[in-house]
Amino acid sequence: NAGVTQTPKFQVLKTGQSMTLQCAQDMNHEYMSWYRQDPGMGLRLIHYSVGAGITDQGEVPNGYNVSRSTTEDFPLRLLSAAPSQTSVYFCASSKEGGWMNTEAFFGQGTRLTVV
Amino acid sequence: AQKITQTQPGMFVQEKEAVTLDCTYDTSDPSYGLFWYKQPSSGEMIFLIYQGSYDQQNATEGRYSLNFQKARKSANLVISASQLGDSAMYFCAMHGSGYALNFGKGTSLLVTP
Repeated sequence: NAGVTQTPKFQVLKTGQSMTLQCAQDMNHEYMSWYRQDPGMGLRLIHYSVGAGITDQGEVPNGYNVSRSTTEDFPLRLLSAAPSQTSVYFCASSKEGGWMNTEAFFGQGTRLTVV
Repeated sequence: AQKITQTQPGMFVQEKEAVTLDCTYDTSDPSYGLFWYKQPSSGEMIFLIYQGSYDQQNATEGRYSLNFQKARKSANLVISASQLGDSAMYFCAMHGSGYALNFGKGTSLLVTP
C-alpha cells in the first residue's frame, strides 16, 4: 500500500524554467490538495480537487497550475519558476466525509530550489 | 474564512513530563474538524489526533489527548509522558465544508533528557 507518492523528492530549477511535480495516490480518495511549506508559515494551500475534472484555487495559487484527469493523479505545474517558489511542497489526499474524520494522508514532500 | 492560531513558536519539556501545545481557531462553519499533525526533522507529516465539532468527548490517542473547548474555540494538544522522539514540529489544522485543511504556523517542541 503506497499511499501518497510524490516525485521528485528534490529538484533544482533555474529561474524561468517550468516543471511538473507529480502526485499519485492509490487509496481511491476523492479529495487531493497541494500545499507549500515555508519557514515560519506553516502549510499553505495552493490548489485542491474534490474529484476528477474538478479543481479550485487555494490561498496561494499564483504561478501554479493543476489538473485532475484521473482519481489517482494530481500533478502540480510550475509555469515559470521564480526564486519565491523555493519551498517544500506536499501533496495530500483524503476521502470525502463531511464533518466526519477525513484525515489527510501526505506524501513525503518535494524540496524545490529555484536559483 | 477559517483561521488557526498557534501562539507558541517553541516549547521545551523534560522527558517524562506532560506538555500542552496551544491552538485556537476561528470559523463560521457549524461543522468542522480539528487535526494535529507531527512533523519530525525527517520532514514527513504524521497524523496524530482528530476532534469533530460535534464530538461529545475529547479525543484521545495513546499518549495524545485533545483538550477541546468549543466555546473558547480552542483545541490544545496534550502529550503525556514526553519522550525524546516527541521532539518535532506540531501543527494544528482544521477543515470545514470545503475539506481543505487550514494550518497554523506550528510549534517546535524540544524534549530534553
